[in-house]
Amino acid sequence: AQSVSQHNHHVILSEAASLELGCNYSYGGTVNLFWYVQYPGQHLQLLLKYFSGDPLVKGIKGFEAEFIKSKFSFNLRKPSVQWSDTAEYFCAVIWGNAGNMLTFGGGTRLMVKP
Amino acid sequence: KAGVTQTPRYLIKTRGQQVTLSCSPISGHRSVSWYQQTPGQGLQFLFEYFSETQRNKGNFPGRFSGRQFSNSRSEMNVSTLELGDSALYLCASSLEGVGPASNIQYFGAGTRLSVL
Repeated sequence: AQSVSQHNHHVILSEAASLELGCNYSYGGTVNLFWYVQYPGQHLQLLLKYFSGDPLVKGIKGFEAEFIKSKFSFNLRKPSVQWSDTAEYFCAVIWGNAGNMLTFGGGTRLMVKP
Repeated sequence: KAGVTQTPRYLIKTRGQQVTLSCSPISGHRSVSWYQQTPGQGLQFLFEYFSETQRNKGNFPGRFSGRQFSNSRSEMNVSTLELGDSALYLCASSLEGVGPASNIQYFGAGTRLSVL
């Protein structure tokens, strides 16, 4: 079965530290890639997406992600985190012609200490 | 523009009962997907509806069903509730127009179901 892996379940950083969250997906051809964020008490929001073209994509709030096809990876990065970035982050994939069927990774809980 | 609206926000049911959850998509969106979120299993796809037809289905038992109406609103039903059905049920809608950007899914706040 196709799957998405997020290697870091919990990450604790101090403000201004750099962030990189890993995401790998199983092989399966054409993919559309997403990062969603869930702030405490709020609904899932789209951070950024990759469909095609430039493998380095920029999203909201200073986040970016790089698609590396050879590594089946789509890692999320932010140069300098803020306390307000405390949230749970989900990587998600839609394979080929799977309509809108998102397959999510297990999520990474990020805590940023002020 | 209003977002995805899910009702009710909270539900408490007992084992063996059935429950119906409702989702109103963003105006103009034609695809509705449902997901289950639990601490143990994470976010799992239930099913997707487009033009009143189920287009994709996840790996859930037949007790989980759904439907979509002509106005794109959707309901999901869970029959013979089990303790393990306690979860946050999320609905997402997408435009389904031309181009990949139209397939971005926007999520509602969810319905939290507790089965006692």
